[in-house]
Amino acid sequence: AQSVAQPEDQVNVAEGNPLTVKCTYSVSGNPYLFWYVQYPNRGLQFLLKYITGDNLVKGSYGFEAEFNKSQTSFHLKKPSALVSDSALYFCAVRDGGNTGKLIFGQGTTLQVKP
Amino acid sequence: DVKVTQSSRYLVKRTGEKVFLECVQDMDHENMFWYRQDPGLGLRLIYFSYDVKMKEKGDIPEGYSVSREKKERFSLILESASTNQTSMYLCASTPPPGQHYEQYFGPGTRLTVT
Repeated sequence: AQSVAQPEDQVNVAEGNPLTVKCTYSVSGNPYLFWYVQYPNRGLQFLLKYITGDNLVKGSYGFEAEFNKSQTSFHLKKPSALVSDSALYFCAVRDGGNTGKLIFGQGTTLQVKP
Repeated sequence: DVKVTQSSRYLVKRTGEKVFLECVQDMDHENMFWYRQDPGLGLRLIYFSYDVKMKEKGDIPEGYSVSREKKERFSLILESASTNQTSMYLCASTPPPGQHYEQYFGPGTRLTVT
């Protein structure tokens, strides 16, 4: 069965420093991977996805993610964190079949301090 | 831009009431989903629908039902609300595979059952 894990409940980083939010996955076949962000009392906003091609994927708001097949990871990164990046981040993997179902990790809270 | 709307942002209901949560998308998407979000548990799929009048149970369907009479609208029904159904409910939609793959989310409904 497909699964995704986010090993950190919370990540703390100082403004201006690089940030990484970790995600590992387990799938049969080729993975389709996604990152979403959620601000307080809001829905999820799509950040980026990996379907195929270049292992480094660039997305919204300066975020990028690196797909690593050998380590089955898809970590979210940003070179310089902003206080406004503070939010809840979800990694997801597409389930098999044609329904478009996603399996989500439990989420990581990113706290960026000034 | 894809727009997914949910009928209420905040809802307070009493135990035993029948509750309807409505979701509408404007992009002619085939697939629609209902999730509940609880701290530390991520998003859990309640039901999804891949066509009008077609539905499938997700991971936690107990206590819920759904209705999809029109392509753009997907309703979640709590037959007899209980306090353990207090949660954030998120609706999402996605086109068929081969297009964009990612799910588009509504703003969420925070339901409190007293």
